[in-house]
Amino acid sequence: QQPVQSPQAVILREGEDAVINCSSSKALYSVHWYRQKHGEAPVFLMILLKGGEQKGHDKISASFNEKKQQSSLYLTASQLSYSGTYFCGTESGVGSQGNLIFGKGTKLSVKP
Amino acid sequence: GAVVSQHPSWVICKSGTSVKIECRSLDFQATTMFWYRQFPKQSLMLMATSNEGSKATYEQGVEKDKFLINHASLTLSTLTVTSAHPEDSSFYICSATGGTSLDTQYFGPGTRLLVL
Repeated sequence: QQPVQSPQAVILREGEDAVINCSSSKALYSVHWYRQKHGEAPVFLMILLKGGEQKGHDKISASFNEKKQQSSLYLTASQLSYSGTYFCGTESGVGSQGNLIFGKGTKLSVKP
Repeated sequence: GAVVSQHPSWVICKSGTSVKIECRSLDFQATTMFWYRQFPKQSLMLMATSNEGSKATYEQGVEKDKFLINHASLTLSTLTVTSAHPEDSSFYICSATGGTSLDTQYFGPGTRLLVL
């Protein structure tokens, strides 16, 4: 089952914060976050594994609540370069060969 | 590190022809490679998963006779779209896992296919 992302789209001014959510109806082994710019391939941001994690680099961080089967991506003090579509990819179990099912994406636009 | 390349980046072909797309891991050995298709403004849809030397595993609804996948080595996988039709026009992206981070999928730059 495809994970559900919210919101579908968000418009920010430079310097503002945003949260993107990803939730699944299935138990999750891992959640992967990617950013895709128009016409380009997705770029890996981070992976969170079962056991409940929080990770971050620069001003982008994420959390994984295994019990709630959801993950959130936090973008703080957004920059123009953060614009793009953010996808979460979920892996439901060991032995799934690492197959990811991607959400429909959240389009983030950062304006000056 | 962990660079994945795809070739060609763009292809335009006539209906009925076959198109081959290559996916290479340049600086690591890819244990598994994945092929995705993405239609405009839509999410990535997994088509198939392949491991070197074995047959690809196709997702439900993906015709394995139409989308031939060959994973000949630990650094190369190819996707051949046979007898392409206009509805096959899409953005095809490969990804690979391996190297130091087995969980991370590294994506290639994608191949845009337009079938006339």
